[in-house]
Amino acid sequence: SAVISQKPSRDICQRGTSLTIQCQVDSQVTMMFWYRQQPGQSLTLIATANQGSEATYESGFVIDKFPISRPNLTFSTLTVSNLSPEDSSIYLCSASGTAPWVLTFGAGSRLTVL
Amino acid sequence: GDSVTQMEGPVTLSEEAFLTINCTYTATGYPSLFWYVQYPGEGLQLLLKATKADDKGSNKGFEATYRKETTSFHLEKGSVQVSDSAVYFCALSETGNQFYFGTGTSLTVIP
Repeated sequence: SAVISQKPSRDICQRGTSLTIQCQVDSQVTMMFWYRQQPGQSLTLIATANQGSEATYESGFVIDKFPISRPNLTFSTLTVSNLSPEDSSIYLCSASGTAPWVLTFGAGSRLTVL
Repeated sequence: GDSVTQMEGPVTLSEEAFLTINCTYTATGYPSLFWYVQYPGEGLQLLLKATKADDKGSNKGFEATYRKETTSFHLEKGSVQVSDSAVYFCALSETGNQFYFGTGTSLTVIP
């Protein structure tokens, strides 16, 4: 199965700044996804990153706050903009297409906003 | 809409104890069901899956049976090890793209 590298693994940011998370897959994949994982809560899908087109956002998530790029079939970035303490969470990149109906995940990026 | 409900943790067991983590689901169609596991400091990884009613998924001694009549997919292991300590997520998907996850159940196995 595919291997996903995600960075940074963790970061501490100041309120009002932005953080960009990179996700690299070692093979071409059809779909890439960005999730948020908050303690004690289920994974929440932020958006689906589409190659060559705009990302598809889930309810409650907007492009201005979470701009996403997907320049090719192996790479995507998620930016969390205008950070507030409520954005402190783990952000996970995942991909499908390497095996039917199976998601592969990166190790996650733990963000703390002060 | 689709959703997954799994038993809340944390769960603490002694080594070699029997494990059950309950999972029930709500779906409009005929989903595939999954258990993912997240070891400390790592991303989620697929543990097992079942694609239709009465299928049994199994891996690393873990098993789960797709029960359509009770809309359940409980995870079981007959004898847990310390290395099984992790967070376990039940999930479903009807399309292969949109996945719905439960809240996760933290398991700690003590020697």
